[in-house]
Amino acid sequence: GDSVTQMEGPVTLSEEAFLTINCTYTATGYPSLFWYVQYPGEGLQLLLKATKADDKGSNKGFEATYRKETTSFHLEKGSVQVSDSAVYFCALSERAGNNRKLIWGLGTSLAVNP
Amino acid sequence: DGGITQSPKYLFRKEGQNVTLSCEQNLNHDAMYWYRQDPGQGLRLIYYSQIVNDFQKGDIAEGYSVSREKKESFPLTVTSAQKNPTAFYLCASSYRGRDTEAFFGQGTRLTVV
Repeated sequence: GDSVTQMEGPVTLSEEAFLTINCTYTATGYPSLFWYVQYPGEGLQLLLKATKADDKGSNKGFEATYRKETTSFHLEKGSVQVSDSAVYFCALSERAGNNRKLIWGLGTSLAVNP
Repeated sequence: DGGITQSPKYLFRKEGQNVTLSCEQNLNHDAMYWYRQDPGQGLRLIYYSQIVNDFQKGDIAEGYSVSREKKESFPLTVTSAQKNPTAFYLCASSYRGRDTEAFFGQGTRLTVV
């Protein structure tokens, strides 16, 4: 079945460091891919998305490129801030008949130190 | 403003009691979802509904029940049959298209005392 695999955390970085969080997927069709962010005690919110191969999603300095050849959607940011400390979830979305499937990674916790 | 609202934010329950968590959305979304989140385990799907008066079990439905009588509302009941109900519960909604994002509520933290 479909699945999403994220790198395990926690990831700890110093402010202004480069961030990469790896995400790979398996899917039977052509999914859309998402990154969500969850701040402590809150729900998830969409960070960025890509709906087809080679698309690049970007938001708030974060980027991820949909790589069909490597089935990957790695999240990157050139210079992290303390305010980026959160849990990041990679997800895929696919149609299954009339229904929609959402498959989630386990999440990667990021802590950014000043 | 459109959005998805969960209530209450914190909930305490005595063992053996049923409790209902509220989820309301005014985004005109067809699909709604309930997830349970435990530390280190990501999101686990409890129930989902793609249309009014229809819903399906997710991966961990035992001990939970739902209803979908209105498009806007998808309440979750945690029954006494749920062995370990203390957790953070998240409700989400979306359109049914593949490309559309899911919107999440702020969550309800349920503690059994």
